[in-house]
Amino acid sequence: GAGVSQSPRYKVAKRGQDVALRCDPISGHVSLFWYQQALGQGPEFLTYFQNEAQLDKSGLPSDRFFAERPEGSVSTLKIQRTQQEDSAVYLCASSLGSGRKGNYGYTFGSGTRLTVV
Amino acid sequence: DAKTTQPTSMDCAEGRAANLPCNHSTISGNEYVYWYRQIHSQGPQYIIHGLKNNETNEMASLIITEDRKSSTLILPHATLRDTAVYYCIVPPSNTGKLIFGQGTTLQVKP
Repeated sequence: GAGVSQSPRYKVAKRGQDVALRCDPISGHVSLFWYQQALGQGPEFLTYFQNEAQLDKSGLPSDRFFAERPEGSVSTLKIQRTQQEDSAVYLCASSLGSGRKGNYGYTFGSGTRLTVV
Repeated sequence: DAKTTQPTSMDCAEGRAANLPCNHSTISGNEYVYWYRQIHSQGPQYIIHGLKNNETNEMASLIITEDRKSSTLILPHATLRDTAVYYCIVPPSNTGKLIFGQGTTLQVKP
């Protein structure tokens, strides 16, 4: 597609429920990133894929968070046993090249707003 | 990692130039300066980046001081649609990460 597509746009989960957030990057983009944005704050890095390889997951806040990109295109961010502090906008970004090579001009999706009640 | 400092908020009159400053005094010689903006309810949008020379594209101009310790993003003719949070970022080399701070909230007023 023309841009990065994320679904669902909004998700309400009961505390303790598992959720899965989907990201469709721009076709052919090698790098894919997940960010978390709390209300009133800037986005914070969660994890980074180059093709299907997860090269950096240092930003995942706990072992309840898991991300995958099995075929090097679509990615899913899964949160198990959601807590209220997980409420945030989850943003996905993609890039044609490797961010590690100095190209940091990423294309972001509009995000999924997760509310845990 | 180079940190950036930006004013929390700025106002600009519609049609006038918006000049958004950023300090990055600890920037290393091979680190770039990137600017993104985030309009309400949207994801961040890449605007422009530079190393040491001034840069211009269809969206904005970037002026980097000779010592590279600060830069200014210039929107030459601000419109109401330019109202957004503007982030100045110096990505750590070879990490792929963008580290967003609080940014500058630019309000363009009629």
